[in-house]
Amino acid sequence: EVQLVESGGGLVQPGGSLRLSCAASGFTFSSYSMNWVRQAPGKGLEWVSYISSSSSTIYYADSVKGRFTISRDNAKNSLYLQMNSLRDEDTAVYYCARQVVAATGWFDPWGQGTLVTVSS
Amino acid sequence: DIQMTQSPSSLSASVGDRVTITCRASQSISSYLNWYQQKPGKAPKLLIYAASSLQSGVPSRFSGSGSGTDFTLTISSLQPEDFATYYCQQSYSTPRITFGQGTRLEIK
Repeated sequence: EVQLVESGGGLVQPGGSLRLSCAASGFTFSSYSMNWVRQAPGKGLEWVSYISSSSSTIYYADSVKGRFTISRDNAKNSLYLQMNSLRDEDTAVYYCARQVVAATGWFDPWGQGTLVTVSS
Repeated sequence: DIQMTQSPSSLSASVGDRVTITCRASQSISSYLNWYQQKPGKAPKLLIYAASSLQSGVPSRFSGSGSGTDFTLTISSLQPEDFATYYCQQSYSTPRITFGQGTRLEIK
């Protein structure tokens, strides 16, 4: 079964840091581009970051550029999101999602999500 | 960035109804349009990709159409499990994809 499982969410103070992980199983992780997408409470979906299969290409949404760092370890079938200088507006459920075809961008599957709460 | 606008934002319908949700892009995106279903507390689930291709395992009552700037998701006969929020997503500007704001489908 193709599966993604996020972890690492929690409560953090403004200005703090957190590292999210996404464990992949059931497919050849090293062959796929991956993404992080977030959803603030009661709001819609917002793309956060993209990493190609070999880590050679990385993109960020303007809202997180310079504060978040995406990475992956293909040997460990894992995706990461290092989040620094966290702000109240970063509070959201963070999902990792597999990009089925690198050039055309639909996401399947998604992980179950991990909640990040930024609050003092 | 390409803006995606869904209409309506919310919709009330009954089991058995035919429902159509519209998604409009701020510029032409060819057929690079995908649809997702999200139930409360759950992750989004891919329904339709490339505007009209049904994802494996998704019931055939779901269909998608359109190209350019205007797209639709149609549910031919609503089932109780279809009440959820639906999002369109453009992948024309991959990897800088954007989502519509969502359409909440509620039971009448």
